[in-house]
Amino acid sequence: QLQLQESGPGLVKPSETLSLTCTVSGGSISSSSYYWGWIRQPPGKGLEWIGSIYYSGSTYYNPSLKSRVTISVDTSKNQFSLKLSSVTAADTAVYYCARYDSSGPYYYYMDVWGKGTTVTVSS
Amino acid sequence: EIVMTQSPATLSVSPGERATLSCRASQSVSSNLAWYQQKPGQAPRLLIYGASTRATGIPARFSGSGSGTEFTLTISSLQSEDFAVYYCQQYNNWPPVYTFGQGTKLEIK
Repeated sequence: QLQLQESGPGLVKPSETLSLTCTVSGGSISSSSYYWGWIRQPPGKGLEWIGSIYYSGSTYYNPSLKSRVTISVDTSKNQFSLKLSSVTAADTAVYYCARYDSSGPYYYYMDVWGKGTTVTVSS
Repeated sequence: EIVMTQSPATLSVSPGERATLSCRASQSVSSNLAWYQQKPGQAPRLLIYGASTRATGIPARFSGSGSGTEFTLTISSLQSEDFAVYYCQQYNNWPPVYTFGQGTKLEIK
């Protein structure tokens, strides 16, 4: 059974870089069938897509975050990671990693989610 | 950016009754729409993809319909475990810019 687990610091200072890792177990991140990515949810609010990555390293980012986001993959560790730079209080959220499955070429939805990790931006 | 609008924001329904949730896209997303259920303190769970295909393990009381810009999630006979927040999400763009609706909270009447 595929499982995803987020890990990383729960507290980040303003202007610093948020770094999270998602470890995939029960399946290979190198499968050609899937993308992988990140979604976040500020307290009491809705879901926001951050970005996604293919095992080859191809990435796609939300235009509203693109200048601050980097997503990378480490196939040897079956992990992918998120870096978000120059954080402010507005980046405080629960961060989820997810697997993206497809119903056809170019059409991907999030079918398996991690449990999420809370990141607070505060000095 | 495609804007997804869900209605109503909150829906109060009694157990055993039918619930109908709506989602509208600002432009056509064909059938590239998913529905997710989120309970407090939990991650979202995929219910429906392709506008009408139930995900693995999802009970038959959940059904999705629609295409283009208008979509509906119907729960035919509400069980206690169905009271949650529901989100729609479009995945029609390439390169992708996925967007979610703001959510509908389904509460016990």
